[in-house]
Amino acid sequence: KAGVTQTPRYLIKTRGQQVTLSCSPISGHRSVSWYQQTPGQGLQFLFEYFSETQRNKGNFPGRFSGRQFSNSRSEMNVSTLELGDSALYLCASSLERASTDSPLHFGNGTRLTVT
Amino acid sequence: AQTVTQSQPEMSVQEAETVTLSCTYDTSESDYYLFWYKQPPSRQMILVIRQEAYKQQNATENRFSVNFQKAAKSFSLKISDSQLGDAAMYFCVTTSGTYKYIFGTGTRLKVLA
Repeated sequence: KAGVTQTPRYLIKTRGQQVTLSCSPISGHRSVSWYQQTPGQGLQFLFEYFSETQRNKGNFPGRFSGRQFSNSRSEMNVSTLELGDSALYLCASSLERASTDSPLHFGNGTRLTVT
Repeated sequence: AQTVTQSQPEMSVQEAETVTLSCTYDTSESDYYLFWYKQPPSRQMILVIRQEAYKQQNATENRFSVNFQKAAKSFSLKISDSQLGDAAMYFCVTTSGTYKYIFGTGTRLKVLA
């Protein structure tokens, strides 16, 4: 079974631009979560989607948005990029609800650098 | 709100020795789950071990085992016979409600040859 696939692996953007990151979950997984990882703040939860609906949202400004498609693939969009948005963005998928039978499976992440 | 505390930012262990990583959490929920994930330099987060809070028996996965103390809200990870490939950032994780996962700040483990 293929793992969680995130594209692209690396991105370099300039301030003010927007960016879209993509995540394909493990086949059969309907929940997709996004996390931002930085050295200073650690792992911070962005949002979680299940069956095309956002079930949970973290404490991020409205510039961060996401969506999930009917095939469970998810995209994350960041508009009006700021230098502080430079981070590793991790996507994780799971079957449905949080449990030991349905742990998070992570992708390799997208490294975003904003200059 | 649920929180996870990993008080050791960095630990070192000699190859073949045993090391224990600490984790405490705070939750008001009666039903929750606990995990340890590792993130090697390749940066992909990998599940190490999992534990249901309602089970008293400590989980084990080969060289990895946990010491789960529910009353003390403690969930430490023991790595036996440490190997160079164990070098990574280790994250303690708990669940919050049905869908959310709360991560600790991580402990960087160095394995010395």
